[in-house]
Amino acid sequence: VTLLEQNPRWRLVPRGQAVNLRCILKNSQYPWMSWYQQDLQKQLQWLFTLRSPGDKEVKSLPGADYLATRVTDTELRLQVANMSQGRTLYCTCSAASGQGSSYEQYFGPGTRLTVL
Amino acid sequence: QQNVQQSPESLIVPEGARTSLNCTFSDSASQYFWWYRQHSGKAPKALMSIFSNGEKEEGRFTIHLNKASLHFSLHIRDSQPSDSALYLCAANYAQGLTFGLGTRVSVFP
Repeated sequence: VTLLEQNPRWRLVPRGQAVNLRCILKNSQYPWMSWYQQDLQKQLQWLFTLRSPGDKEVKSLPGADYLATRVTDTELRLQVANMSQGRTLYCTCSAASGQGSSYEQYFGPGTRLTVL
Repeated sequence: QQNVQQSPESLIVPEGARTSLNCTFSDSASQYFWWYRQHSGKAPKALMSIFSNGEKEEGRFTIHLNKASLHFSLHIRDSQPSDSALYLCAANYAQGLTFGLGTRVSVFP
C-alpha cells in the first residue's frame, strides 16, 4: 500500500535555479510529515518535520537552501534553491514524532535532483 | 547533537553465511534505535527497531543493543542474495532520525 506520493520523481536543475517538490500523504494515520536529503555519498539527513497546515521552516545546508511548507493535512512542499551538488529528497510520514517516539518513518519513493 | 557511526563500510558474504553489522552512537539521550535497508535505486525501508537493552529477533534478523557502551548491531542469519543492499542504522533524536553512513552488503550465490 502506497503511503506517500512524490513528484516530480527526478529533475535536472540548471545551476542557480530553484525547484519545487511536492509530497502527498495517502493515509491520515501518519500525519507527521518530514523531509530527508540523501547526498551522493548516501548520507541520509533529516531536514524538517512539519505537522500542521501553515507550518513553514527554512534551512541552509552545504550544497543547498531549503524552504519547507505544510500546505494541507495531506500535502507537504519543499523548495530547493542554490543547489551545487545533486541529491535525493525523501518525504516521510509517521504516526508520531519526537525523541521518545517509537514510530516508524515511512519513506516516499524520493525525488532525484541533478545539477546541470 | 547525535553522531552515528557504522562499520564496516562494506561486506561481501557467501549465501548462507551470517552477516554482522555494527553501529555506535554518541548521545545516550536517544531512546529508539533502528535498522533500515535500502536496495539500489529504492527508498529506505525499516527492518527492525529496539528500545531496551538486550536482543530482539524477527525471522532471520536479530538486533542487539547495549546503551552503556553506546552500541547496537544487526545480525542476518542464512544471508540471501536478496539481502544485498545498503544497511543504515539510525537513532531517534529531536524530531528526526540520525543516520549512519551505511554498510553496503553483497551476498553472492
